[in-house]
Amino acid sequence: TQLLEQSPQFLSIQEGENLTVYCNSSSVFSSLQWYRQEPGEGPVLLVTVVTGGEVKKLKRLTFQFGDARKDSSLHITAAQPGDTGLYLCAGALKTSYDKVIFGPGTSLSVIP
Amino acid sequence: EAGVAQSPRYKIIEKRQSVAFWCNPISGHATLYWYQQILGQGPKLLIQFQNNGVVDDSQLPKDRFSAERLKGVDSTLKIQPAKLEDSAVYLCASSLIPQGVLNEQFFGPGTRLTVL
Repeated sequence: TQLLEQSPQFLSIQEGENLTVYCNSSSVFSSLQWYRQEPGEGPVLLVTVVTGGEVKKLKRLTFQFGDARKDSSLHITAAQPGDTGLYLCAGALKTSYDKVIFGPGTSLSVIP
Repeated sequence: EAGVAQSPRYKIIEKRQSVAFWCNPISGHATLYWYQQILGQGPKLLIQFQNNGVVDDSQLPKDRFSAERLKGVDSTLKIQPAKLEDSAVYLCASSLIPQGVLNEQFFGPGTRLTVL
């Protein structure tokens, strides 16, 4: 059972375009993280959101956590080739410890 | 600060053979994770250690996979015997905060395993 779904699975855009990727679940998360993974490397944390409705900005990236803490979005403005990579969302489930579940990822390719 | 180290970076074996991966986490990080990432998918947690104790190994195929973290520092993940479907990238990660919502995981570069 896939607890986290991400869409789209693949995205290829021209440099300078805007895009939004989504992360959805039927589960409530105590926090949600976005990671970016480049080929041949491990994922690197971009942001952690904790509060429902929270919006965080990181330069050209805007992250939003849904009010119900079940979904999140990542918006990139004026995409650059350096944004190319696999974008993974990871939700923390409140159990006896904060179990982190990764989504399948959105593979983004920004064409110069 | 040195990152998470993993070796080897690449490994090719035949099915039914054995293989072992090594991970050295960031100094001082209490929590260590092993993930399996199949091409086109997100990382799947295999096992999570806190110090040298196991926190979660619910998705570890225990009939063929084993992992240990002696002295709460380095860790090894072993597959014996390997199957074709074990072909994947094996990622090791570590974190400073053992529990809590602001838990950032630092990943190593991974070991790419190909089983022929």
